[in-house]
Amino acid sequence: EPEVTQTPSHQVTQMGQEVILRCVPISNHLYFYWYRQILGQKVEFLVSFYNNEISEKSEIFDDQFSVERPDGSNFTLKIRSTKLEDSAMYFCASTPGLPNTGELFFGEGSRLTVL
Amino acid sequence: AQSVAQPEDQVNVAEGNPLTVKCTYSVSGNPYLFWYVQYPNRGLQFLLKYITGDNLVKGSYGFEAEFNKSQTSFHLKKPSALVSDSALYFCAVRGNTGGFKTIFGAGTRLFVKA
Repeated sequence: EPEVTQTPSHQVTQMGQEVILRCVPISNHLYFYWYRQILGQKVEFLVSFYNNEISEKSEIFDDQFSVERPDGSNFTLKIRSTKLEDSAMYFCASTPGLPNTGELFFGEGSRLTVL
Repeated sequence: AQSVAQPEDQVNVAEGNPLTVKCTYSVSGNPYLFWYVQYPNRGLQFLLKYITGDNLVKGSYGFEAEFNKSQTSFHLKKPSALVSDSALYFCAVRGNTGGFKTIFGAGTRLFVKA
């Protein structure tokens, strides 16, 4: 069964450093998302991405965050200058061509620890 | 703006008993509603969804959910709980415009005791 893959599974970084989290969505999916989950609690929407541009973003997704689909398969989330409060589990998700009715397919997540 | 409320942080049930995990929602227009489950240190897995049609929808692992438009609810149910159902359950709603973002409730932790 096709799946969303994420790397790294865990990254530890120093405050102020740049971090790139990588995702490979399911190949025929068209809509891509990043979510984060702090301490196993609420799952928070960060950004949605379609046709090589951001469709929607939350207040969390400020100028320190960016997303990119550099090569038609990877979908990356970059945090330019990490803060302690960026420590969280980051999930990539994708849906096929019917974004309103299709369920999200999630990766296993990348745990980011900022020291 | 859409929102989802899961009023219970935790639900405890004995194995073999029926379970209900509650969810209410608020959204403009037609609601697209989902349930997801998360096991420890894993990503979220889709359980079931309501898009249109029958108010009772059936999903994976014997779960079902009942859509109630007048009460704006979408409660998750299972007739007979298993210990292996113990996990974190999220109700979610999707809007009809923009980036079609899915908004999740705060989650309800289900404990099924043998």
